[in-house]
Amino acid sequence: SAVISQKPSRDICQRGTSLTIQCQVDSQVTMMFWYRQQPGQSLTLIATANQGSEATYESGFVIDKFPISRPNLTFSTLTVSNMSPEDSSIYLCSVEGVHADTGELFFGEGSRLTVL
Amino acid sequence: GENVEQHPSTLSVQEGDSAVIKCTYSDSASNYFPWYKQELGKGPQLIIDIRSNVGEKKDQRIAVTLNKTAKHFSLHITETQPEDSAVYFCAASSDQFYFGTGTSLTVIP
Repeated sequence: SAVISQKPSRDICQRGTSLTIQCQVDSQVTMMFWYRQQPGQSLTLIATANQGSEATYESGFVIDKFPISRPNLTFSTLTVSNMSPEDSSIYLCSVEGVHADTGELFFGEGSRLTVL
Repeated sequence: GENVEQHPSTLSVQEGDSAVIKCTYSDSASNYFPWYKQELGKGPQLIIDIRSNVGEKKDQRIAVTLNKTAKHFSLHITETQPEDSAVYFCAASSDQFYFGTGTSLTVIP
């Protein structure tokens, strides 16, 4: 399985500010995924980060609110823009296993954001 | 799209007893069914998975069963230990992962 490192692990943010979460993987991967996990809830896919092209966003998520970068095959960032208390969540970076055709999905430790 | 339902939402068992968590899915195209364990303050960890060409898979104290006809799959944990306490998520996948709503398992010493 891949080793996925996320920074920051947690942060407390003020309403109206923006925060960028970084995700570093120890091996090259084709696709990286960003999920949101609201308190006590399940995991919801925000977008798929593709290297060399724009991210693909799921219904309900837009680039202006959650801009994503994917400069290379081991790194991605997710920015949560103009935050409100409703953005308080755990944000998770994930990648497919080394052998993408096996379908396994692995997660980082998550970034827990609290917006005041 | 796919709809994954998971039950129960909370489960308490005595140490040493078994725990069973059940999930149903709606899309017959789903062919991969992983289970994740999420401990407090950590990301989800893949603990076991099953593919649609297999009915049952076991790994030490955990097992997963799949009934494709009925579109349901279950996680079985035997001889539970306090360290099994966590939130467990099921998922169904064909081209995208769809997660259940989670089961908070508490193992009482």
